Amino acid sequence: QVQLQESGPGLAKPSETLSLTCTVSGGSINRFYWSWIRQPPGVGLEWIGYIYYSGSTNYNPSLKSRVTISIDTSKNQFSLKLSSVTAADTAVYYCARGPVAGRGMDVWGQGTTVTVSS
Amino acid sequence: QSVLTQPPSVSGAPGQRVTISCTGSSSNIGAGYDVHWYQHLPGTAPKLLIYGNSNRPSGVPDRFSGSKSGTSASLAISGLQAEDEADYYCQSYGSSLSGLYVFGTGTKVTVL
Repeated sequence: QVQLQESGPGLAKPSETLSLTCTVSGGSINRFYWSWIRQPPGVGLEWIGYIYYSGSTNYNPSLKSRVTISIDTSKNQFSLKLSSVTAADTAVYYCARGPVAGRGMDVWGQGTTVTVSS
Repeated sequence: QSVLTQPPSVSGAPGQRVTISCTGSSSNIGAGYDVHWYQHLPGTAPKLLIYGNSNRPSGVPDRFSGSKSGTSASLAISGLQAEDEADYYCQSYGSSLSGLYVFGTGTKVTVL
C-alpha cells in the first residue's frame, strides 16, 4: 500500500523560499505523476503543480513564476520549492499521487502546515 | 478563485440522503472531462471517494454515488452516518489558464 509523507520546515520567513519533500513508501515513484496541492486557512484546495517520474513538470499559472518541483527517483522522493513567499502562502501543503488517468489524485499525504511569518 | 462551485454546506439527519452539486462550465466539466470527489476530515489526508464521475475505489461504501450531466456533477450520500461528517471536494480538469487541475469550493456535510 503506497503511502506519502510530507516533511520540511513549518515556518518560513517572508521573501524566502519554502522547501518541502514528499517521501513515497510502499511502492515505486516510477511511471506515475506526482502533485503538490495546498489549502490556505479557511479556503479550499489549490493544485500547485505536478511532476512526472521522467522529470517533466506542469505548474498552476498563478504560481508558475515561483514554483519548482523536482524528483529523485533513487530516493523515491519529490520536492517543492516556492520562492518569495508571503503570508498568503501560509497553508497546509499536501503531496499526492496523480493525476492518475481517470482516477484523479488517488493517494494523498497527511499534509504539513507551513506558516509564513517573520 | 475556483472555477468549480459547490454549496458551502449541506446537512441531514442520520439515515437521510444528501446531495452535493459541483457546477462548472463548458471549459471543464461540460467539455467532457472526468469529475472526481474527495472526502476530507480536517487533520487527515484527503481520500479519493469517487473517480471518473461515478466509480468507487475499493473500500468506499456504496452509500456514496456520483453522477455527471452537462456542466455539473453531483455526489450523493444515502443512509447518512455520523462518520460522513466531513468536507467534500469535487475536482476536474481545468485549462492552461486556470491550472490543469481544479478543485471545487468545498462543501461541509453536517450530520444532525
